Amino acid sequence: GAGVSQSPSNKVTEKGKDVELRCDPISGHTALYWYRQSLGQGLEFLIYFQGNSAPDKSGLPSDRFSAERTGGSVSTLTIQRTQQEDSAVYLCASSLNFGTQYFGPGTRLTVL
Amino acid sequence: EDKVVQSPLSLVVHEGDTVTLNCSYEVTNFRSLLWYKQEKKAPTFLFMLTSSGIEKKSGRLSSILDKKELFSILNITATQTGDSAIYLCASTIQGAQKLVFGQGTRLTINP
Repeated sequence: GAGVSQSPSNKVTEKGKDVELRCDPISGHTALYWYRQSLGQGLEFLIYFQGNSAPDKSGLPSDRFSAERTGGSVSTLTIQRTQQEDSAVYLCASSLNFGTQYFGPGTRLTVL
Repeated sequence: EDKVVQSPLSLVVHEGDTVTLNCSYEVTNFRSLLWYKQEKKAPTFLFMLTSSGIEKKSGRLSSILDKKELFSILNITATQTGDSAIYLCASTIQGAQKLVFGQGTRLTINP
């Protein structure tokens, strides 16, 4: 595709519910990243996928967070039993191998 | 712990002014420093800097890296209202693909 796309653009959920956020990377990009941006903060790394290698999950804040990347393309970030502190903009990026990361428009998650 | 710090956190200037945004970093195994502009949600790439003292330039924007003093600056000359955005600085690290971001500088250009 022309750029990284993410869906939904906005998600409002109730505390305790599970949510799934989707990322479609740029076609041909081998690396995919998830970041989180809380209000007024910089981006916080969550997880990184590169080809068929084991993902780098070092940034996931708790075991309620998980992500998968099927077929080396689309990725889904899942947050189970959401908490109010999970409210943030979740940004996905992709890159060709170790090149510049290009970001999607993000999903704004609000947990009530 | 790897850390990137930006200053100021917020800056308001008039159209036509020149601004300098600062970014300092403390990371192990530094590889490169990147600048992004974030207007709504998606940060858009501006510059990647890997070598000290070599200025990267794009129109009215320029940036330079000092690997001895561990900082970078982003200059914007003859600012326009369209330059209003959050400017993010990030470091990459050898052997790891994640970006370590600073808090960002919110730049507002008033007409």
